[in-house]
Amino acid sequence: EVQLLESGGGLVQPGGSLRLSCAASGFIFNNYAMSWVRQAPGKGLEWVAGISDSGESTYSADSVKGRFTISRDNSKNTVYLQMNSLRADDTALYYCAKDVSLWELQYFDSWGQGALVTVSS
Amino acid sequence: EIVLTQSPATLSLSPGERATLSCRASQSINTYLAWYQQKPGQSPRLLIYGATTRATGIPARFSGSGSGTDFTLTISSLEPEDFAVYYCQHRKNWVFTFGPGTKVEIK
Repeated sequence: EVQLLESGGGLVQPGGSLRLSCAASGFIFNNYAMSWVRQAPGKGLEWVAGISDSGESTYSADSVKGRFTISRDNSKNTVYLQMNSLRADDTALYYCAKDVSLWELQYFDSWGQGALVTVSS
Repeated sequence: EIVLTQSPATLSLSPGERATLSCRASQSINTYLAWYQQKPGQSPRLLIYGATTRATGIPARFSGSGSGTDFTLTISSLEPEDFAVYYCQHRKNWVFTFGPGTKVEIK
């Protein structure tokens, strides 16, 4: 059974930093790309960042580019999201998601329970 | 950037009724579309990928159709547990896009 367990969320002041972790199990971690997807309170889903299976390639949404960095440690089956220069509009539940790629089709077949990040003074 | 539009925003139906949800892409995306269900307080769950293929464990009352720019998620007969928010999703050039969602609520 695939399990994705996020940790590291919390309350942080505007301009501060936070690092989220996602521990994966139940699948061959280094065979899959991974992503972070967030959901602001009462809002829809927004993709934040993604990383290839090897970790060599990373991608991010324009809204977080230059502030958030995704990384992974395949020896620990863990993906990270380093969040710097946090703003109030970064407040959201952050989900870790497992990517599946089928040629041009890419989607998320497993999701964690989420880590809540609140940016407030 | 591809924009996904979902309609209606809210669908009010009774258990046993048929639900038809629409997702429209701003340009052709072939069949590169997925659908997710999210219940209150829960993580999203994959329902459909490739526009028409049900994910593992998804009941047959859920079906997807469409290609190009117009897609439909159909729930043939609503069960009480199907009242939730549904999102469509596409990826191009490693940019993932979600639609704004359709809420299926009990009438």
